[in-house]
Amino acid sequence: KQEVTQIPAALSVPEGENLVLNCSFTDSAIYNLQWFRQDPGKGLTSLLLIQSSQREQTSGRLNASLDKSSGRSTLYIAASQPGDSATYLCAVPLSNQGGKLIFGQGTELSVKP
Amino acid sequence: KAGVTQTPRYLIKTRGQQVTLSCSPISGHRSVSWYQQTPGQGLQFLFEYFSETQRNKGNFPGRFSGRQFSNSRSEMNVSTLELGDSALYLCASGGEFSSYEQYFGPGTRLTVT
Repeated sequence: KQEVTQIPAALSVPEGENLVLNCSFTDSAIYNLQWFRQDPGKGLTSLLLIQSSQREQTSGRLNASLDKSSGRSTLYIAASQPGDSATYLCAVPLSNQGGKLIFGQGTELSVKP
Repeated sequence: KAGVTQTPRYLIKTRGQQVTLSCSPISGHRSVSWYQQTPGQGLQFLFEYFSETQRNKGNFPGRFSGRQFSNSRSEMNVSTLELGDSALYLCASGGEFSSYEQYFGPGTRLTVT
């Protein structure tokens, strides 16, 4: 049974710091991994999607890596800003067909000015 | 391209009542998935519809049901509401395979009193 874990549950950093969020999964036979951002009371915003054949994806100040063999993904945020404060979630699909995603519990990030 | 829309955004219902939530996916997407998000349980998968057929189902009681129309719009119904059904209900839009990126709507906040 696939399980997704995110550690830490919460993280507070000063503005400008580079940081890494972690995501681990128990079954390495994943098809892809997606990172999302969620602001309080809002929906999820897709940040990056890494296909199983890829090692990393970049978008602006964000870089996500994927290591299937170790069952881990990291989301690197460069030069953090207060606007980055949100909960970050990673998710993997249950199968090759379908939209059922297995989510981690998320990391709540607070960037202090 | 318009994003995923959900209506209504907020709902207050009384125990025992029923409720219907609506989700319109991104144009061209044929998969719609529904999730329940609560502080204690995180994001839990309800069900997924693809081309008007339920393709995946989570572990929720039969009070939770859904359907999808020929234009890919989906509705979710909860009958005999319980206090524990209070949650943020999110829908996600995607393609046929899990390799497609999932896009989420803003959610419907349901409060049961």
